[in-house]
Amino acid sequence: GENVEQHPSTLSVQEGDSAVIKCTYSDSASNYFPWYKQELGKRPQLIIDIRSNVGEKKDQRIAVTLNKTAKHFSLHITETQPEDSAVYFCAAPTVYQAGTALIFGKGTTLSVSS
Amino acid sequence: DAGVTQSPTHLIKTRGQQVTLRCSPISGHKSVSWYQQVLGQGPQFIFQYYEKEERGRGNFPDRFSARQFPNYSSELNVNALLLGDSALYLCASSFFRLGTGEQPQHFGDGTRLSIL
Repeated sequence: GENVEQHPSTLSVQEGDSAVIKCTYSDSASNYFPWYKQELGKRPQLIIDIRSNVGEKKDQRIAVTLNKTAKHFSLHITETQPEDSAVYFCAAPTVYQAGTALIFGKGTTLSVSS
Repeated sequence: DAGVTQSPTHLIKTRGQQVTLRCSPISGHKSVSWYQQVLGQGPQFIFQYYEKEERGRGNFPDRFSARQFPNYSSELNVNALLLGDSALYLCASSFFRLGTGEQPQHFGDGTRLSIL
């Protein structure tokens, strides 16, 4: 089955700096990689995802890159703001019987100080 | 449109009791998945249901069971509760269709279950 490793576990940046979170996966058949943001006491919220037929995807200050050969993908947040402070999770799919499930990394706690 | 809704929001039980958690998916979504999130960790997959059939089961004991109804809502049942079952239980729905590959999963706010 799929295994997802995420690092760093904590990341502290100054407002306006960039933040990068990296994940590796084990199943070369995985073809979809979402990122979720979870604020304290709230639900995980999908912020961006990428499929294996593209190498990069951007949405305003957020971008995700994918290296299929090395089996890793990264989340890039530019011009960080205090409201970006949260726990970020990467995930990759694994096949169960006739369906699929997301396997999550352990999370990165991002703190943006003003 | 309404997102994924879960009930109840909080629940306190004692060891050995049984609990039922409920989830309504986003309109048009036929796939519902359940995840357990222990404090400080990422969500861990429990079940996926699609078209009222179990499509996948994670590494959880038989005390955990679920079902999906004709309107695609779902229930998660946990019997013989243990202290270690204390967690946030998340439901996610997606536009999953067999043979179409992975689709974005959208989470509800979860049910926080505390076992005393």
